[in-house]
Amino acid sequence: KNEVEQSPQNLTAQEGEFITINCSYSVGISALHWLQQHPGGGIVSLFMLSSGKKKHGRLIATINIQEKHSSLHITASHPRDSAVYICAAERGSNYKLTFGKGTLLTVNP
Amino acid sequence: DADVTQTPRNRITKTGKRIMLECSQTKGHDRMYWYRQDPGLGLRLIYYSFDVKDINKGEISDGYSVSRQAQAKFSLSLESAIPNQTALYFCATSGGTGGGPAETQYFGPGTRLLVL
Repeated sequence: KNEVEQSPQNLTAQEGEFITINCSYSVGISALHWLQQHPGGGIVSLFMLSSGKKKHGRLIATINIQEKHSSLHITASHPRDSAVYICAAERGSNYKLTFGKGTLLTVNP
Repeated sequence: DADVTQTPRNRITKTGKRIMLECSQTKGHDRMYWYRQDPGLGLRLIYYSFDVKDINKGEISDGYSVSRQAQAKFSLSLESAIPNQTALYFCATSGGTGGGPAETQYFGPGTRLLVL
């Protein structure tokens, strides 16, 4: 079993829909990261969180430490949100990340 | 200009050849990482360096070596390339938190490597 599991693997939505991507991890963490990989391949960090909730524009990330679970929400989805979304667990104090396999999101107009 | 750059962006090579992928950063970060990404497997850590004198193996270091020439430069070498090293390679950096418990990683644009 992978230390970091994401669901779903693929997600297709219509523009305007509310999107939820889930991430479960099996190890203790110092932080949980959400990243976005554009169709061209580039990877950018969206959030780093260790508790509670963070919001940036239409993106919201939440984490439940007791349940070892995090969610990434996208409100009012748009075709430009189409990308692969990756969660990664940072363990202890060594800054190393263990990645989930990613969720491919396609938002249709 | 990009904060983390990788060269080359694309490379085709033959089995048995030695190749080097280079990474440079202008963020002033101490920590640098090399990952490979394969379809269906996600990102996996090859090597990481916490400063110029500290280099560590990641989960899939066999067949690879690295050099940290300076704080800003971290190179990945494939001593004798083989076809299953065909992948997308990313360099990343982190730092600037004064040794805080968690850090955002900043990724380069990636290098697509094809080994024939």
